[in-house]
Amino acid sequence: DVKVTQSSRYLVKRTGEKVFLECVQDMDHENMFWYRQDPGLGLRLIYFSYDVKMKEKGDIPEGYSVSREKKERFSLILESASTNQTSMYLCASSLVGTQYEQYFGPGTRLTVT
Amino acid sequence: GEDVEQSLFLSVREGDSSVINCTYTDSSSTYLYWYKQEPGAGLQLLTYIFSNMDMKQDQRLTVLLNKKDKHLSLRIADTQTGDSAIYFCAGGGGSNYKLTFGKGTLLTVNP
Repeated sequence: DVKVTQSSRYLVKRTGEKVFLECVQDMDHENMFWYRQDPGLGLRLIYFSYDVKMKEKGDIPEGYSVSREKKERFSLILESASTNQTSMYLCASSLVGTQYEQYFGPGTRLTVT
Repeated sequence: GEDVEQSLFLSVREGDSSVINCTYTDSSSTYLYWYKQEPGAGLQLLTYIFSNMDMKQDQRLTVLLNKKDKHLSLRIADTQTGDSAIYFCAGGGGSNYKLTFGKGTLLTVNP
C-alpha cells in the first residue's frame, strides 16, 4: 500500500513564526501536492511538484513556499505564519501515468495564534 | 478552469441506499474520482471512472457517468453507519497533473 506520512497531526504556532510542514511518501511517486482544507471551501491546491527541485504554483500559493530536494519528501513552508493560515493541510502523491489518482496523508491541523 | 459542484449534505437511514451527485464543467476531464474522508483523517480513494465508461460497480458502490450532462453520481447500497463521512468528487484531465475537487458532501447515516 502507498503510504504518505506527514510530520505532525496537530501544530500550534504563533503569528510571524516560520513553519515547516513535512510530507514523505514511500512509493517512489514523481508527483507530490500540498492542499489546504477549510470548511465550506473544500480542498484548494497550494503547490505541486512533478519532479525533484521542480514546483508549480497551485490556486492559492500566496504566503507559502515549497521545497523538494529528494523524490520522497515535499515540504511546505510558511515564511511568516498568519492567523488566516489556520487550516488543515493535506499532502498527496501520485505516480506518473496515473497522475490523477492521488494518495493522501492524514493531514496536519495547524493553528496560528 | 474546471469547476466541480456537489450538494453539501445528505442524510439517510441505515440500510437505505445513498446517492451523492456531482456536476463538472470541463468536458475534457479524463478521469473522475470519488474520495472518502472520515473525521480527522486524510482522503481515501474509493473508486474512479474513466470518461469512456458509463457505469462502474465495485461491491456496494456504483458510479454512474452521464457525459452529455457532465453529471457523476455515487450510489452506496445498504448504507451503514461506518459510511458516515465526507465524500469528494474530483476531476482530472488536460495537460497538467491537477485534480479539481468539489467541496464535499457530508453523508450522515442514522441508525
